[in-house]
Amino acid sequence: QKEVEQNSGPLSVPEGAIASLNCTYSDRGSQSFFWYRQYSGKSPELIMFIYSNGDKEDGRFTAQLNKASQYVSLLIRDSQPSDSATYLCAVTGRQGAQKLVFGQGTRLTINP
Amino acid sequence: DAGITQSPRHKVTETGTPVTLRCHQTENHRYMYWYRQDPGHGLRLIHYSYGVKDTDKGEVSDGYSVSRSKTEDFLLTLESATSSQTSVYFCAITDGLGQGTDTQYFGPGTRLTVL
Repeated sequence: QKEVEQNSGPLSVPEGAIASLNCTYSDRGSQSFFWYRQYSGKSPELIMFIYSNGDKEDGRFTAQLNKASQYVSLLIRDSQPSDSATYLCAVTGRQGAQKLVFGQGTRLTINP
Repeated sequence: DAGITQSPRHKVTETGTPVTLRCHQTENHRYMYWYRQDPGHGLRLIHYSYGVKDTDKGEVSDGYSVSRSKTEDFLLTLESATSSQTSVYFCAITDGLGQGTDTQYFGPGTRLTVL
């Protein structure tokens, strides 16, 4: 059983629309949740982190956390072609707060 | 890129040969990590370090060893490379004290091919 699961996609969204990326995790003790963006051939770069239940907004990005449902999501408003990338969900793992467990990533394509 | 460099950036080697990958950081961070990334698996932790000479295993540590003799360098060694170790290897650091609220930043990666 995977600890962190994402739909691998590809997810195709028209330019200007809202892209919704989802992630579920199995460890109820997880405390910190991160979204990374990775362009093809590049390293992951942090978009947002969230620790508390609810929504956290940063520009066009909103992270949503529901610990009761063990669910975290990332919304991208006004999607741009430059948002086309793979999005990785990461969760602090069972064995130590500093070790991240990643999902397999969702490939997002924004169509002009 | 948080002052992280990795070398080499690309390497092709043959099965059974030893390989060492280097991660170098310039900002004196305590925590350093090695991940591998394979299609369909996301990133998986191999080993990490919480100080000079202090290391621990991650999720996929079999076949790998690490060393950290200086704060700035974290070495990953494949003692006898196998084709299953063909992957992209990322080094990462955290900007904090190893707590759950820390953020990890990644180096540019090393693409390793084992023939």
